[in-house]
Amino acid sequence: GAGVSQTPSNKVTEKGKYVELRCDPISGHTALYWYRQSLGQGPEFLIYFQGTGAADDSGLPNDRFFAVRPEGSVSTLKIQRTERGDSAVYLCASSLHLGYTFGSGTRLTVV
Amino acid sequence: AQSVTQPDIHITVSEGASLELRCNYSYGATPYLFWYVQSPGQGLQLLLKYFSGDTLVQGIKGFEAEFKRSQSSFNLRKPSVHWSDAAEYFCAVGPYFGNEKLTFGTGTRLTIIP
Repeated sequence: GAGVSQTPSNKVTEKGKYVELRCDPISGHTALYWYRQSLGQGPEFLIYFQGTGAADDSGLPNDRFFAVRPEGSVSTLKIQRTERGDSAVYLCASSLHLGYTFGSGTRLTVV
Repeated sequence: AQSVTQPDIHITVSEGASLELRCNYSYGATPYLFWYVQSPGQGLQLLLKYFSGDTLVQGIKGFEAEFKRSQSSFNLRKPSVHWSDAAEYFCAVGPYFGNEKLTFGTGTRLTIIP
């Protein structure tokens, strides 16, 4: 596609529920990143994929967070047993060489 | 560990006035520096980036930034702001070889008054 697409744009879920956030990168971009942006903060790195594999997952806060990219294109960020502190905007970006394109994000609200 | 400091949380300027947003970074090697802009409810849009070469970098929307290695700074400037420049601005640093994670500052919110 022309840009990085993230769905849904907004997600409200109850505490304890499971959620999946989807990222569709720019076609042909081999690198894909997930960031989390809390209110009043800059984006914080979560995980980076090069192709299908997670090259760096050092930013995932705990084992409730997991991300996959099975075919080297679309990626899904999965959050188990959501907590109110998980409320944030989750941003996805993709890159081919030296340049990142960000999606508009998914605003996750845990109530 | 790499870090980015944006000392100004909120700046207000009059339309038509000049603007400078400050960014200081800490990085153990040659940095790759970025400025992004984020409008409410939107993703991050790249304004400009510094990789190497000329330390004065031109970007989109009339913005420029100057890399000063001795001061570990990468300040963003615009000679005359427009009401549409009101947004959140983020400075970020990444590794020289690219395609790895970026570290962002906490952002500066810019308000424009008539």
